[in-house]
Amino acid sequence: DGGITQSPKYLFRKEGQNVTLSCEQNLNHDAMYWYRQDPGQGLRLIYYSQIVNDFQKGDIAEGYSVSREKKESFPLTVTSAQKNPTAFYLCASRVDRAVTGELFFGEGSRLTVL
Amino acid sequence: AQTVTQSQPEMSVQEAETVTLSCTYDTSESNYYLFWYKQPPSRQMILVIRQEAYKQQNATENRFSVNFQKAAKSFSLKISDSQLGDTAMYFCAFCGETSGSRLTFGEGTQLTVNP
Repeated sequence: DGGITQSPKYLFRKEGQNVTLSCEQNLNHDAMYWYRQDPGQGLRLIYYSQIVNDFQKGDIAEGYSVSREKKESFPLTVTSAQKNPTAFYLCASRVDRAVTGELFFGEGSRLTVL
Repeated sequence: AQTVTQSQPEMSVQEAETVTLSCTYDTSESNYYLFWYKQPPSRQMILVIRQEAYKQQNATENRFSVNFQKAAKSFSLKISDSQLGDTAMYFCAFCGETSGSRLTFGEGTQLTVNP
């Protein structure tokens, strides 16, 4: 079945460690996104990519990094510079950058810093 | 910059009744889309309904319909004949032509349908 796969679902990190969240899609979508979800704050955009080998910062990019070497993959690295990384992270994709396009989401990854 | 506001953090409704979730937005763009997404306890976000700003007719998808008031920048979601499976967090979202394919989300409304 086509869709977006995020892994791992749960991740624990010690302070000072970098962690990478995986996001893979087999929908042949051009655009991919990473959102952070915190209670009462909705979804906030971290990074997004509209095409392979290109990506842009979202509203809360500090302390995060991404790469887009393949169309189907958009991993997110949470670095030690991110001061409050405990959150639920959602990856999404859409066909292209058109305004009309529906976002398809993965099931999310919950990161907890110990 | 666009902003999306959902002023109701939590709502509840009895099964089979109707409920309306509110959403307001602020933008200077003329061409844009508005969306309602649903996030059930399983956390998988799914699209409920979308509305194009240029269309005066309100969108409808089965039991879900919107009341789009462009001048008031209001985009409410009405759920008719509420079902237990409608229990979820609902997010309103905005995407404009100049947004660079970015969607801006509201804070969300937690809806509980009671038996």
